[in-house]
Amino acid sequence: GAGVSQSPSNKVTEKGKDVELRCDPISGHTALYWYRQSLGQGLEFLIYFQGNSAPDKSGLPSDRFSAERTGGSVSTLTIQRTQQEDSAVYLCASSLSGVVAGGSYEQYFGPGTRLTVT
Amino acid sequence: AQSVAQPEDQVNVAEGNPLTVKCTYSVSGNPYLFWYVQYPNRGLQFLLKYITGDNLVKGSYGFEAEFNKSQTSFHLKKPSALVSDSALYFCAVRDMGNTDKLIFGTGTRLQVFP
Repeated sequence: GAGVSQSPSNKVTEKGKDVELRCDPISGHTALYWYRQSLGQGLEFLIYFQGNSAPDKSGLPSDRFSAERTGGSVSTLTIQRTQQEDSAVYLCASSLSGVVAGGSYEQYFGPGTRLTVT
Repeated sequence: AQSVAQPEDQVNVAEGNPLTVKCTYSVSGNPYLFWYVQYPNRGLQFLLKYITGDNLVKGSYGFEAEFNKSQTSFHLKKPSALVSDSALYFCAVRDMGNTDKLIFGTGTRLQVFP
């Protein structure tokens, strides 16, 4: 079946512009995650959606970052007034709920969006 | 605080030789541990996990990992390396809070030479 898809695959933007990154999770997966992969910073958690529950936004680095998940499926990560330090690969992942899946917990990742802020 | 350490930035091994990529963890309670692999310009691919049960877990592409509670380690191993195994490997532990988010190590680049 189809995996997690992300668009665009690459995005170059000027400092100060807003960008939107999209994630389509695996059908039926109730949990959705955004991570950021930066040189020298490794992989860091940004935000987590689980079903209809309030999202866990504890990893968002600033209030310029926001995300939504519509209809429990597609998610959009928005970065406002981009800065050069926002340049990174943004990865989306989805999984079955740990409880539903009997504790399997593994996450399936999309190919990522490479964001470059000039 | 929960954390994962991958002490080696890079591991070099000759094709056909056994390989080990090291991972140690620090969590309160029983850990849920994972290994992922990342090929160039690709997302992360799940290799294997330890949740409970046998300490030796087998995963994709002939990889296995051994959970060692006393040493708080979860090293990734393969008996015979292939050139195609060259990639970036990440160890991760599940957050023990209210989410299933993963806490990743910094990654180890595996280079297998022919």
